[in-house]
Amino acid sequence: GEDVEQSLFLSVREGDSSVINCTYTDSSSTYLYWYKQEPGAGLQLLTYIFSNMDMKQDQRLTVLLNKKDKHLSLRIADTQTGDSAIYFCAENFSGGYQKVTFGTGTKLQVIP
Amino acid sequence: DAGVIQSPRHEVTEMGQEVTLRCKPISGHDYLFWYRQTMMRGLELLIYFNNNVPIDDSGMPEDRFSAKMPNASFSTLKIQPSEPRDSAVYFCASSFGIGQETQYFGPGTRLLVL
Repeated sequence: GEDVEQSLFLSVREGDSSVINCTYTDSSSTYLYWYKQEPGAGLQLLTYIFSNMDMKQDQRLTVLLNKKDKHLSLRIADTQTGDSAIYFCAENFSGGYQKVTFGTGTKLQVIP
Repeated sequence: DAGVIQSPRHEVTEMGQEVTLRCKPISGHDYLFWYRQTMMRGLELLIYFNNNVPIDDSGMPEDRFSAKMPNASFSTLKIQPSEPRDSAVYFCASSFGIGQETQYFGPGTRLLVL
């Protein structure tokens, strides 16, 4: 079955870049997503990338996709304290019924 | 729109009691999802509906869990009888379509079963 893995924790200094990594197993994934969860709240979509793309940039966010290695990363430039949250990688599993499988989440701590 | 609405926001109950969680999706959305989040297991998809019809309930842990969507604007997730290991945050999400379409999450219901 499909599986999405992330490291659990990342700590960076304010102003530095953050890179959150994710690996997935389903080679037939159509879309890959990054969600952000702030304390006490639900998940909010940050960005997504279609599987035929290698890179997508959206302001401070850069998503890189290596389909061969099934590796997805999210780079946050000029990380701010407001970026402190849990970041979830997710893939759209296209086999039969479509559903989104979420990773375990990476907790990003930004140190002032 | 007010977004996805969930109630209650917090629920404390005793083992063996019935628990009903409620969700109102965003108007016009045709997909509704129920998730459970715990420290141990992360975010798990329990069940999802398309046009009020359950499509995939393979994530429902056991027969104690049931979900219904009687109409396009309301869904319930029921646990009967509840057990301490059901303690978690339960999220409802909705989307218009699937795939690249954003899932909008509700604020969650924090359930504690004593």
